[in-house]
Amino acid sequence: ELKVEQNPLFLSMQEGKNYTIYCNYSTTSDRLYWYRQDPGKSLESLFVLLSNGAVKQEGRLMASLDTKARLSTLHITAAVHDLSATYFCAVDSNYQLIWGAGTKLIIKP
Amino acid sequence: DSGVTQTPKHLITATGQRVTLRCSPRSGDLSVYWYQQSLDQGLQFLIQYYNGEERAKGNILERFSAQQFPDLHSELNLSSLELGDSALYFCASSGSSSPLHFGNGTRLTVT
Repeated sequence: ELKVEQNPLFLSMQEGKNYTIYCNYSTTSDRLYWYRQDPGKSLESLFVLLSNGAVKQEGRLMASLDTKARLSTLHITAAVHDLSATYFCAVDSNYQLIWGAGTKLIIKP
Repeated sequence: DSGVTQTPKHLITATGQRVTLRCSPRSGDLSVYWYQQSLDQGLQFLIQYYNGEERAKGNILERFSAQQFPDLHSELNLSSLELGDSALYFCASSGSSSPLHFGNGTRLTVT
C-alpha cells in the first residue's frame, strides 16, 4: 500500500526566510503533484512532477522530484505572508492519488 | 476558476436526513473524484468515476453513495447523516495525464 508522508506538518516562519517541505512516498510512482489550499477554500494545483530529477519553479516556490529516493521537496525562498497556506503533495498510484497529510505554513511579517 | 462546479455551496441539515451534492466537471474531463475534508484535516478520498463507471473506492461509508451520469456530472448522496459527517466535500475532475482540478466545495453542517 502506497503511503505518503509530509514533514513538517506545521511550520511557522518569518518573512524573508527559506524553508523546505518534504514529501516521502513508499512505492514507485512516476507522477507527483503539489497543491495549495487556503483556509476554507479549494485546492489549487501548483506543480506536476513527471520524472526523476524534474524541477519546476513558480515565483518563490520550487519543487523537485527524486524518484530513486522517493522524495519530493517544495522549497520556499524568501517567504512572504501571502504564501501562508496548507500545502499538500499527492502521488499517483494506479489511477488514484494518495495524499500527504498537508503542511500548514504560517509566515509571520 | 477551475471549471469544476459544485452545488450547493452550503448545506445545513439535521441528523438522520439525506442530502445530495452535485458536481459538474470541467469540459472534456471524464474522471470525477469525491473527497471529504473535516475541519483542519487532510483529504479523505471517497470515490472516483471514469466516464460513468466506478474506478476506485476509498473510505466511503455505506451510508454514502455516488454516481456519474451520461453527461458526466456526478452526484454524491449522503444518508442517515450524523454529526461527524459535517465537513467540506470536494469534487475534482481530470483528463488524461492532467492534475486534478477541484471545485469550491460544499460545506455540509449536520445539526
